[in-house]
Amino acid sequence: GAGVSQSPRYKVAKRGQDVALRCDPISGHVSLFWYQQALGQGPEFLTYFQNEAQLDKSGLPSDRFFAERPEGSVSTLKIQRTQQEDSAVYLCASSLGLFGADTQYFGPGTRLTVL
Amino acid sequence: AQSVTQLGSHVSVSEGALVLLRCNYSSSVPPYLFWYVQYPNQGLQLLLKYTSAATLVKGINGFEAEFKKSETSFHLTKPSAHMSDAAEYFCAVSVTPNSGYSTLTFGKGTMLLVSP
Repeated sequence: GAGVSQSPRYKVAKRGQDVALRCDPISGHVSLFWYQQALGQGPEFLTYFQNEAQLDKSGLPSDRFFAERPEGSVSTLKIQRTQQEDSAVYLCASSLGLFGADTQYFGPGTRLTVL
Repeated sequence: AQSVTQLGSHVSVSEGALVLLRCNYSSSVPPYLFWYVQYPNQGLQLLLKYTSAATLVKGINGFEAEFKKSETSFHLTKPSAHMSDAAEYFCAVSVTPNSGYSTLTFGKGTMLLVSP
């Protein structure tokens, strides 16, 4: 287990399609984060998991966005009825613990393009 | 709420010149501060972080940053730029509220261009 992995790396969807993005965090990491990075911008927080519990989903832009981490390891971010404004790079990060000083390790991201 | 401002969306330097990337933060509680680097089509890699120990923090690849509370700044420097330093750099702040976990708030990034 090297770092955080994400799949697919690239996804093209037609407007209205549903997509699922997968994140494999570093083994043993308690915390898992999803961020959205629009073109030319910094990443923006979407949601946070502590083990299998989703403790914060304040950054999810709409109820079309849904995330889960059922067994406290792999996480999936699902976007229903995709819109053009959903086009972005979706980054997953994990950290060993809970605290602000803990380093978040990022995956390579999934670039989503909605046509 | 916390925020980060990175001055300059693009910074150009010559190879061998000093690199200075500026970051100012806003936080109502003592922050933790991070610098990440992003190469094209890759995720973010941690360069260094400030966690309230030494105010001068040394990171990888010869980078360092100094936490200045009075100026609410955490500027990133490197004495001599290499071509391989060309990338986008993000400053981020993290605070741990009473809920016991924290998330990162990023600046908009600074693209570093290095010319021969």
